[in-house]
Amino acid sequence: AQSVTQPDIHITVSEGASLELRCNYSYGATPYLFWYVQSPGQGLQLLLKYFSGDTLVQGIKGFEAEFKRSQSSFNLRKPSVHWSDAAEYFCAVEISSGSARQLTFGSGTQLTVLP
Amino acid sequence: EPEVTQTPSHQVTQMGQEVILRCVPISNHLYFYWYRQILGQKVEFLVSFYNNEISEKSEIFDDQFSVERPDGSNFTLKIRSTKLEDSAMYFCASRATGPGTEAFFGQGTRLTVV
Repeated sequence: AQSVTQPDIHITVSEGASLELRCNYSYGATPYLFWYVQSPGQGLQLLLKYFSGDTLVQGIKGFEAEFKRSQSSFNLRKPSVHWSDAAEYFCAVEISSGSARQLTFGSGTQLTVLP
Repeated sequence: EPEVTQTPSHQVTQMGQEVILRCVPISNHLYFYWYRQILGQKVEFLVSFYNNEISEKSEIFDDQFSVERPDGSNFTLKIRSTKLEDSAMYFCASRATGPGTEAFFGQGTRLTVV
């Protein structure tokens, strides 16, 4: 069965520091990969996606992610974190089952940003 | 910017009561989804809907759940007889057709069963 693992439940960084959130997936074929962010009381906002092509993808808010097939990983990075980045981050894999194309989410990583 | 709209934002219901959660997907999207997130847990897929029928459902989506697109704009999730364990945040999402498209999520409805 397909699965997504986010090994870090909670990460704390100082404002201005760099950030890397880890995501590993288990899927038989090349997956479609996503990172979503959820601020408190808010819905899920797409940060970036990987479908094919360049394995380094750029997203909104200065985030980027790199797809590494050999490591089954899709880690999210940001060179300099802002206080407004404090939120929960979810990695997701798209499961193409017929026309459904539903998402399987990781358990999330809660990011705290210190001033 | 078009968005997925969900109502209500918060619903409190008594155990055994029926609830209907409402969603207005983005107007030109054809794929619709419901997901749920129990407090402190991951977001889980419930059901997908395309061409006026369910295209996929998870094991969570049992006979107590149903979905409907009653008109050209709304997409609803009904829980017939709510249980305490149905308390969760429910997210609606929609997607356009074609490759390279992503799901857009609503703000969610927090359902509390007491």
